[in-house]
Amino acid sequence: KAGVTQTPRYLIKTRGQQVTLSCSPISGHRSVSWYQQTPGQGLQFLFEYFSETQRNKGNFPGRFSGRQFSNSRSEMNVSTLELGDSALYLCASSSQVNYGYTFGSGTRLTVV
Amino acid sequence: AQSVTQPDIHITVSEGASLELRCNYSYGATPYLFWYVQSPGQGLQLLLKYFSGDTLVQGIKGFEAEFKRSQSSFNLRKPSVHWSDAAEYFCAVVGGGGNKLTFGTGTQLKVEL
Repeated sequence: KAGVTQTPRYLIKTRGQQVTLSCSPISGHRSVSWYQQTPGQGLQFLFEYFSETQRNKGNFPGRFSGRQFSNSRSEMNVSTLELGDSALYLCASSSQVNYGYTFGSGTRLTVV
Repeated sequence: AQSVTQPDIHITVSEGASLELRCNYSYGATPYLFWYVQSPGQGLQLLLKYFSGDTLVQGIKGFEAEFKRSQSSFNLRKPSVHWSDAAEYFCAVVGGGGNKLTFGTGTQLKVEL
């Protein structure tokens, strides 16, 4: 079956702009999480959604937001981009609590 | 709050040699533990997971890990490393409500031919 699909794979944005990243989970998976990966901070949890409800949120400013649709697809939005937002953004889906997450290939965001 | 420590930032082994990557966790309750591998520019691939039961867990690609509660460790092992195993390895724990994964800082594995 198809894996977790993230679009786009690469993105270049200018400081101050906003960006929307998309994630399509594995069919049947209702839990979707987002992570930011940078060389300096490593892998950091952004937020988790389950059945369209945000269940958990990491320690990121309000510029970072997300949502989940009824078909479990998820988007995350970053407004007023800063240079420090340059990172690999990873989406992961799961069918059930503690079954482990399947990750997508990520979206590489570069802010210039 | 839960945390994960991977003491080794870089490890170099010769092809065919055995491998052990260390992972120590901190979590108040019974942890759910994972090992992921990441190739350059790619996402994370799940190698194995531990929830309960047998403390020796088998995973994909010939990897195994042993959960030792007394040492708060979940070390990853492979008896014979292949050049294609060169990648970054992350240990992670789930806890604190929901499915939030807390990752270690990763261990970069280099395999010498």
